[in-house]
Amino acid sequence: RKEVEQDPGPFNVPEGATVAFNCTYSNSASQSFFWYRQDCRKEPKLLMSVYSSGNEDGRFTAQLNRASQYISLLIRDSKLSDSATYLCVVNKGTGRRALTFGSGTRLQVQP
Amino acid sequence: EAGVAQSPRYKIIEKRQSVAFWCNPISGHATLYWYQQILGQGPKLLIQFQNNGVVDDSQLPKDRFSAERLKGVDSTLKIQPAKLEDSAVYLCASSLTRGVYNEQFFGPGTRLTVL
Repeated sequence: RKEVEQDPGPFNVPEGATVAFNCTYSNSASQSFFWYRQDCRKEPKLLMSVYSSGNEDGRFTAQLNRASQYISLLIRDSKLSDSATYLCVVNKGTGRRALTFGSGTRLQVQP
Repeated sequence: EAGVAQSPRYKIIEKRQSVAFWCNPISGHATLYWYQQILGQGPKLLIQFQNNGVVDDSQLPKDRFSAERLKGVDSTLKIQPAKLEDSAVYLCASSLTRGVYNEQFFGPGTRLTVL
C-alpha cells in the first residue's frame, strides 16, 4: 500500500461546480498535512495546510479525519483558473521518509 | 523577495554521462530539499538538509546520486553515471526550519532528459 494515495482523476467539471478530492495516508503517526497545487510544467505551491479542526480559505475547505486517515479538499464555485493538479502531502515529523507527496489529482474546469 | 533559484532549467545528456544541478534557497531558510518528480507522479524526496547537515537521504540512490550543501546555503545535486530512468524534473525546495507546519517553497526545477 502506498503511503499517500490519491485518485489521479482527471476530474472534469463545469465552471461553478463543487468538487471534492480525497487523500488517504497509511501512517497513523503522521503529524501535519497539506494541499499543494501544481500547474502544468510548473513547481508545486502551497494551497493550504490542513488542521484537525478543519479550515477554510475562500472557496477552499480542507478537512482531516485522523480516525479514518484521510484528508479532503473541497472546492466550491470552480473557476477555470482552478484547473491544475492537487497534491496531498503528509509529514511524519521525524525519521526517514518523513515527507511524502501523493501522485496528485488532476482537475480540469470547463467553460 | 527572491524565490528559490535553480539552474540549469533544462539538460539533455546521454546515458552514462554525468550531470550536476544547482540550487540557491531563499535567504535565511535553514532547510533545503531535493525532490525527483517523474512525469505523472508526485515529487519524491531524495535528500533533506538542515543547514549543512543531512537530515534524511534514505531515498537517494547513493551509488549514482550525491548532494552537498557546503556552508549551509547553496546546494548541488549530482548524478554519475546517469540512467534512462533518471529522466525527470529535479525540484529544489526550502523552508525556514524543519518544523512540521513550515511551508516549502519550490524552485522552477531542472528538467533532465537522459537519452
